Amino acid sequence: DSGVTQTPKHLITATGQRVTLRCSPRSGDLSVYWYQQSLDQGLQFLIQYYNGEERAKGNILERFSAQQFPDLHSELNLSSLELGDSALYFCASSAGFTGYTFGSGTRLTVV
Amino acid sequence: GNSVTQMEGPVTLSEEAFLTINCTYTATGYPSLFWYVQYPGEGLQLLLKATKADDKGSNKGFEATYRKETTSFHLEKGSVQVSDSAVYFCALGNAGGTSYGKLTFGQGTILTVHP
Repeated sequence: DSGVTQTPKHLITATGQRVTLRCSPRSGDLSVYWYQQSLDQGLQFLIQYYNGEERAKGNILERFSAQQFPDLHSELNLSSLELGDSALYFCASSAGFTGYTFGSGTRLTVV
Repeated sequence: GNSVTQMEGPVTLSEEAFLTINCTYTATGYPSLFWYVQYPGEGLQLLLKATKADDKGSNKGFEATYRKETTSFHLEKGSVQVSDSAVYFCALGNAGGTSYGKLTFGQGTILTVHP
């Protein structure tokens, strides 16, 4: 157990739908990052939050949004889903020099 | 912007063979460099890191040296085991070894080790 918890592990949904992925960071980590892993794009950085505030944005689509709550857990919302959104979505957390810790990911399949 | 290029895979080796996975990078400033490993069905695990030029990261028999002059961070292991079969990612992060800020990943290299 890495200490970063992601739920659900698997998600199957239809095109056009909306889903929410959840991440609980390692205890004490203030930063949360979301990454998308797909066969054609590899690992792409989506967004970072630090202590509730958006810190950096990467290749995140406008249909996607995220937030970090006061208890530091984070949610990634994906809407108007398309087949191409099928991927593994990873959350990672970090605190200073202790390094990044990744969760085991949520596998999203859009059918 | 920052980018990381890994050698094309997949790589297939026999047990006890020598492993090299090449990684080169493009970055401004003085980034930190990482190797992550992903076993089937799992998330990424930090394998080793180096935060400044000429640093050598090492873990579980794997080594990589931060070469600023060649902008490289090649992963090596003297004798691989079947249990090393996984996907290996080279990554680049912020300068100074801090863990704030995104990581830029290479495309990953699939390693398969046969008995």
